[in-house]
Formats: sequence, C-alpha cells, structure tokens
Amino acid sequence: DTGVSQDPRHKITKRGQNVTFRCDPISEHNRLYWYRQTLGQGPEFLTYFQNEAQLEKSRLLSDRFSAERPKGSFSTLEIQRTEQGDSAMYLCASSLPGQPQHFGDGTRLSIL
Amino acid sequence: AQTVTQSQPEMSVQEAETVTLSCTYDTSESDYYLFWYKQPPSRQMILVIRQEAYKQQNATENRFSVNFQKAAKSFSLKISDSQLGDAAMYFCAYRSATTSGTYKYIFGTGTRLKVLA
Repeated sequence: DTGVSQDPRHKITKRGQNVTFRCDPISEHNRLYWYRQTLGQGPEFLTYFQNEAQLEKSRLLSDRFSAERPKGSFSTLEIQRTEQGDSAMYLCASSLPGQPQHFGDGTRLSIL
Repeated sequence: AQTVTQSQPEMSVQEAETVTLSCTYDTSESDYYLFWYKQPPSRQMILVIRQEAYKQQNATENRFSVNFQKAAKSFSLKISDSQLGDAAMYFCAYRSATTSGTYKYIFGTGTRLKVLA
C-alpha cells in the first residue's frame, strides 16, 4: 500500500494560466474524490469518480475546472484561466466501497 | 443539506491529560457515517476513528474514543493520555450511507489541538 500520491506538491502560476494536477489513488481503490481546502477551512468536495465515470460534481466546480479519470486509475484536475480565488490546497482521496477515504498530501496552488 | 459544525477553533491540553473535541451535525438522514480525521502540519489527513450511525456503541481506537449522541446530533472525540504527536488539526466529517446518497464527505472547519509539554 503506497498510499495516495499527488503531483506536484506545490504549483505557483500567474493568473490566467492553466494548471493540471495529477492524483494516483491506492491501486485497488475504484472510488476517487477531489476536494479543495482553503486556509482555516475544512476540505470542500469538488467531484467524485467511480472507476472512470464522473458521478458527481459540486457547484463549486465552475466551467473552468475539469476532471478526468480516463482508465479508472489515475485522475487529473485541470483549472483553466486561473484566478486569485483558486489559490488553495487541492486534495485527492480514494476508497473502496463502504470504506473510509484515504487522502494524499495535496497540491498547494499559489496564484501570483 | 447536511452540515457539520466544530465550534472550537483551537484547544490546548497538557501532555498526558485528556481533551474532548466537539462536533455537531445536521441531517435528515437516518443512516450515515461520522469520522474524525487528523491533519498534522503540512502532512496528509489520517483517519482517527469512524462511527456508523446505526451502531449505538461508541467507537474506540486505543487512546481515542467518541461520544456519539444520535438524537442530539453530537459526535465528540476524546483523546486520553495526550501525546506531543497528537498536535494537529482535527476535522469532523459526515458521509451519507443511503444507497442513493452521495459518497462525498462533508467536513467541519476543524479544531487545532495544541499539546503542551
């Protein structure tokens, strides 16, 4: 069990640029989740995949955000035309059905 | 919609003493899970303890135990014999268990626990 892996750990970019984050879940976990955590707050749900199917999206996930999990393994989260308010920690989690979620270390996004 | 409230932004405890972190939640569902997660500074979130709503018995994991009051919608975490390594942000989380429900977690705002040597 190598745990949930996220890359990069930290991303610094200029406003208006596009960024993409990657999440590798625990290998046998078919469920994958993305959350966003801002300073002093708890994580907020963004989206959920079961295998390759994106089954739920939060209203927080604006048109500038897109997530994929093409082969039911790793997932990517892309933010287009980044804005100052996108600065946050982006957390990925995975789980088996009925089991608690395991979280990665997160990707911290800083918008200049 | 479900909500989770942690009313204590910060708590302190002396090493070896006991501390209780509070969590209340609101839901109209009868079947759900509750969790406490620990997030040390700059490190990943780790599951501390889990409670199924249909179980009346309070969950325990070594020095960690919960006081689950379903009617009051309260789910507090007790840490006994506190250790320096317990210092972290603690998040309370809710997840629906209904078959048509969402699998997402709803988190509280967290309680920062300081352990004093």
